[in-house]
Amino acid sequence: QKEVEQNSGPLSVPEGAIASLNCTYSDRVSQSFFWYRQYSGKSPELIMSIYSNGDKEDGRFTAQLNKASQYVSLLIRDSQPSDSATYLCAVNAGNNRKLIWGLGTSLAVNP
Amino acid sequence: EPEVTQTPSHQVTQMGQEVILRCVPISNHLYFYWYRQILGQKVEFLVSFYNNEISEKSEIFDDQFSVERPDGSNFTLKIRSTKLEDSAMYFCASSIGTPGTSGRGTGELFFGEGSRLTVL
Repeated sequence: QKEVEQNSGPLSVPEGAIASLNCTYSDRVSQSFFWYRQYSGKSPELIMSIYSNGDKEDGRFTAQLNKASQYVSLLIRDSQPSDSATYLCAVNAGNNRKLIWGLGTSLAVNP
Repeated sequence: EPEVTQTPSHQVTQMGQEVILRCVPISNHLYFYWYRQILGQKVEFLVSFYNNEISEKSEIFDDQFSVERPDGSNFTLKIRSTKLEDSAMYFCASSIGTPGTSGRGTGELFFGEGSRLTVL
């Protein structure tokens, strides 16, 4: 069974702090990794994609991938109250077209 | 900005009734998907569609489910005889390419706002 695991949280950080979100996956052949943000009652929205080991930065967001440890993370710098949402980790299952999703980590940024 | 649109936003139906959920993917996208999310649970893959045929489906996508692309723009999900456990948010998504390809930036999904299905 291919799994994607995340701490459900809630993760609470003060405004301006760095939020660190973690994800592990079970399928070693996974090639593509995604972070989506989902506000309550809304659809997932893509924030970051990462395909190679190392860091990828986009504005306040940094995705980190370690395929040897089967671990992907998302750092949010200078967290804002508007970042309060559930962050979903999604992993492609090898050459399949479907994404396997984690349950998500709920992030609360406190003003 | 192009977006995926879904209708209806909310549908209430009686158990055993047929339901059709409609989606208009982004026009230059090639791959279309249906996912669902039961309240408080993970997003679950249902089906992917490419070149006018199903390319992959999950165990959830049994004979009660079907998809169609009846014209050049619409993409529909039909549930023939709804069950209580079909109650969920159904998301349509589209992408230029498919997850897992080496083409960077082509595997990202754009989701519609979802159709909430309530089966009574």
